[in-house]
Amino acid sequence: SQTIHQWPATLVQPVGSPLSLECTVEGTSNPNLYWYRQAAGRGLQLLFYSVGIGQISSEVPQNLSASRPQDRQFILSSKKLLLSDSGFYLCAWSVGRLDTEAFFGQGTRLTVV
Amino acid sequence: AQSVAQPEDQVNVAEGNPLTVKCTYSVSGNPYLFWYVQYPNRGLQFLLKYITGDNLVKGSYGFEAEFNKSQTSFHLKKPSALVSDSALYFCAVRDITSGTYKYIFGTGTRLKVLA
Repeated sequence: SQTIHQWPATLVQPVGSPLSLECTVEGTSNPNLYWYRQAAGRGLQLLFYSVGIGQISSEVPQNLSASRPQDRQFILSSKKLLLSDSGFYLCAWSVGRLDTEAFFGQGTRLTVV
Repeated sequence: AQSVAQPEDQVNVAEGNPLTVKCTYSVSGNPYLFWYVQYPNRGLQFLLKYITGDNLVKGSYGFEAEFNKSQTSFHLKKPSALVSDSALYFCAVRDITSGTYKYIFGTGTRLKVLA
C-alpha cells in the first residue's frame, strides 16, 4: 500500500534562516506531488505541484521554492525565512487520473521567530 | 476557473442529530468533487468523492454527500452526529481545465458536535 512521509512534524526557525522540508511517497511510481500551506487552521493554499522529476509549477510567487530530485521525493525550501512563512505545511500526492483523490502527509508546523 | 465555496465558517449540531456541511461549486465541464476531514495538527483525511453516477455518494465513518447539478452543490451529510465528528471539513474540486489536475479547496467549515 502507498504511504506518504513528511518531516519534521514541528520546526521553529529564526527569521533569515534557511528551510528544508522533505516529503517522500512509498508504494507508487510517478505520482503527482503537491505542497500546500494552511494558515491559522483554515483554508489551504496550493504552493507548488509537480507531475514529474524536475517539473515544478509554482502557484504563488513568494519566498519559497520546491524541487523534485527523485520520482517520489518532494522538497520545499527557502534561503531566508520571513515571519510570514509561519504556518502548517502539507504535502500530498495523487495518481494522474482525474477521478482519484489526493493523500496527505501529517504536516509540518513551522514557526518563524 | 474552477472553485468551491463553503458558506459556513462553523456548524454546531447536537450529538445524535443529523448534520449537513454545505459546499457549492463552480466548474467548467463535469465536476470532480471531494470531501476531506482534518483533526487538529493533522493532515487531511479523504472522506468521499463524486465523479459520476449516483447523486448520493457514501463514504467513510458514516458520511455521505449529495451531488445536485441544478443547484451546483455537494453537501456533506451524516444521519446521526457523534462528538468525535468534531473537526474541520474541506470541500475540494479537481481542476480539469488547465491540465494540471490540481486540487482546489474551500475555506473549510468547523463542525462542533455538542454532547
